[in-house]
Amino acid sequence: AQRVTQPEKLLSVFKGAPVELKCNYSYSGSPELFWYVQYSRQRLQLLLRHISRESIKGFTADLNKGETSFHLKKPFAQEEDSAMYYCALSPNSGGGADGLTFGKGTHLIIQP
Amino acid sequence: EAQVTQNPRYLITVTGKKLTVTCSQNMNHEYMSWYRQDPGLGLRQIYYSMNVEVTDKGDVPEGYKVSRKEKRNFPLILESPSPNQTSLYFCASSLSGTGKKLFFGSGTQLSVL
Repeated sequence: AQRVTQPEKLLSVFKGAPVELKCNYSYSGSPELFWYVQYSRQRLQLLLRHISRESIKGFTADLNKGETSFHLKKPFAQEEDSAMYYCALSPNSGGGADGLTFGKGTHLIIQP
Repeated sequence: EAQVTQNPRYLITVTGKKLTVTCSQNMNHEYMSWYRQDPGLGLRQIYYSMNVEVTDKGDVPEGYKVSRKEKRNFPLILESPSPNQTSLYFCASSLSGTGKKLFFGSGTQLSVL
């Protein structure tokens, strides 16, 4: 069975400092990895996914199969980045949608 | 506007009183799912549906039922709610085969007394 681990429940950094939210996974096959974000009083929304290799709101994440990690990074944190971040894994890299496995989330607080 | 709509946003009930949380999406998505969000436990999947009349258990299905009679609707039913089902519930949908981009509803905060 797949598992997603986010080791930090809470991460507090100062505005302008680099941010790294850690995500490790366990899965025997070839997974698809995602980051979802939940801003205060808003619904969860997709931030980025590894297959897109994109940068959203300054965030990037690289899938490291050797370390089974998908850490989320941003070089300079902004106050509006304060939110709850969830790493998620899908066991199917092709079609089908049989559910994501979410990590327990990391609450990111950006201090002014 | 493309969205997932949940109702109600807030619900307080008593142990044993059957309730239904509705979920509707207007994006013609095949896949729909229910999650509960609890502090320290993150998001856990309750049930999901790949298409009409096709449902399956997630990680924490005990005490819940679902149905998928129409593509747009995926209600969550608690036949006999208990206090340990007090939680924040999210419905989500996605277009099957597009890389699992989930669209979430705004959540339902349920308190069972």
